Amino acid sequence: KQEVTQIPAALSVPEGENLVLNCSFTDSAIYNLQWFRQDPGKGLTSLLLIQSSQREQTSGRLNASLDKSSGRSTLYIAASQPGDSATYLCAVKGNTDKLIFGTGTRLQVFP
Amino acid sequence: EPEVTQTPSHQVTQMGQEVILRCVPISNHLYFYWYRQILGQKVEFLVSFYNNEISEKSEIFDDQFSVERPDGSNFTLKIRSTKLEDSAMYFCASRATLDRGWYNEQFFGPGTRLTVL
Repeated sequence: KQEVTQIPAALSVPEGENLVLNCSFTDSAIYNLQWFRQDPGKGLTSLLLIQSSQREQTSGRLNASLDKSSGRSTLYIAASQPGDSATYLCAVKGNTDKLIFGTGTRLQVFP
Repeated sequence: EPEVTQTPSHQVTQMGQEVILRCVPISNHLYFYWYRQILGQKVEFLVSFYNNEISEKSEIFDDQFSVERPDGSNFTLKIRSTKLEDSAMYFCASRATLDRGWYNEQFFGPGTRLTVL
């Protein structure tokens, strides 16, 4: 059974720092991995989708990498801003048409 | 930019009552999903729907739950007799059908917060 874990559970950093969020999954047989942002009490905003055949994807200040064989993905946020404060979720799609979510990393960027 | 919409944003109901949560997926999408997130817990898959039938459901999706696509635009989740433990945020999602099949991403709505008293 696929298990997705994210560390750290919470992170508080000063504005301007570059930071890395980690996601690990137990079954490497995945089709893709999505990173989402969730603001308190709000929905899920898709940030990046990385296919199983890809090593990384970039969007603006965000860069996601995938190492399928080791069951890991990282989300790199460059030059963090207070507006980046949110919970970041990773989710994997295996051989069925559903996403399995991680526990999330709650990020706070203070001015 | 096209987006998934959900109504209502917040629903309060008494235990044992029926509720219907509504979703309008992105217009050219053909795969639809419901997920839920109990406060402080992970987002969990409930059901996927394609070609007017359920393609997969989780253990959570028991006989109290049903889904329907009543017309060409809406996708609904019905809970027949709500329980206290059904209190959660319910998310609808949709996905396009492209040549890459399962490789394309799911887009989520803003959610409906269901509170069962």
